[in-house]
Amino acid sequence: LAKTTQPISMDSYEGQEVNITCSHNNIATNDYITWYQQFPSQGPRFIIQGYKTKVTNEVASLFIPADRKSSTLSLPRVSLSDTAVYYCLVGDIPPTYNNNDMRFGAGTRLTVKP
Amino acid sequence: DTGVSQDPRHKITKRGQNVTFRCDPISEHNRLYWYRQTLGQGPEFLTYFQNEAQLEKSRLLSDRFSAERPKGSFSTLEIQRTEQGDSAMYLCASNEAGDPGDTQYFGPGTRLTVL
Repeated sequence: LAKTTQPISMDSYEGQEVNITCSHNNIATNDYITWYQQFPSQGPRFIIQGYKTKVTNEVASLFIPADRKSSTLSLPRVSLSDTAVYYCLVGDIPPTYNNNDMRFGAGTRLTVKP
Repeated sequence: DTGVSQDPRHKITKRGQNVTFRCDPISEHNRLYWYRQTLGQGPEFLTYFQNEAQLEKSRLLSDRFSAERPKGSFSTLEIQRTEQGDSAMYLCASNEAGDPGDTQYFGPGTRLTVL
């Protein structure tokens, strides 16, 4: 079962690039890596997903090394509004929930300071 | 479409009472998910439906919890004989089977407080 490990918290300043790394040593061949963002009192919101190498969208980039045992979410030039909890999930598509696919861990609490 | 909606947004109840929450998914989505989230933790999967069929249910879910999606549209989650440990945010999400990456769209949640 692919379990993920992320830092509990990170601090940054406005305008900086933030990189959050997630470890998933037991990732399976069919597993995708997905990142969600959650603000207080709201449901999680999809940010980005990838399988290998690099994926970029209008919000973030996702870097996945060749062994896929980790991944890094990169947020360019963060602002105060990027303060949130970021979750890394690993699982098959479609997921099998009782095999613990797509489990949300405790996430990384990012605080952006002025 | 306004996204996934949940009702009520907040519910306070006394221990031992039954509560029911409603989720209205995005209209064209055939999959609907329920999660529970406690303070400082990520969402925990409870169950999910494809159309009206309940395809998976967490093995850790108490039999006091039951969910339905009778017409394949909205869903209800009922908790019988509530306990203080049931206090949490209950999140609903939806998507369309076959969507790239199985991205889920979450509602705002229902916050339950059991006194």
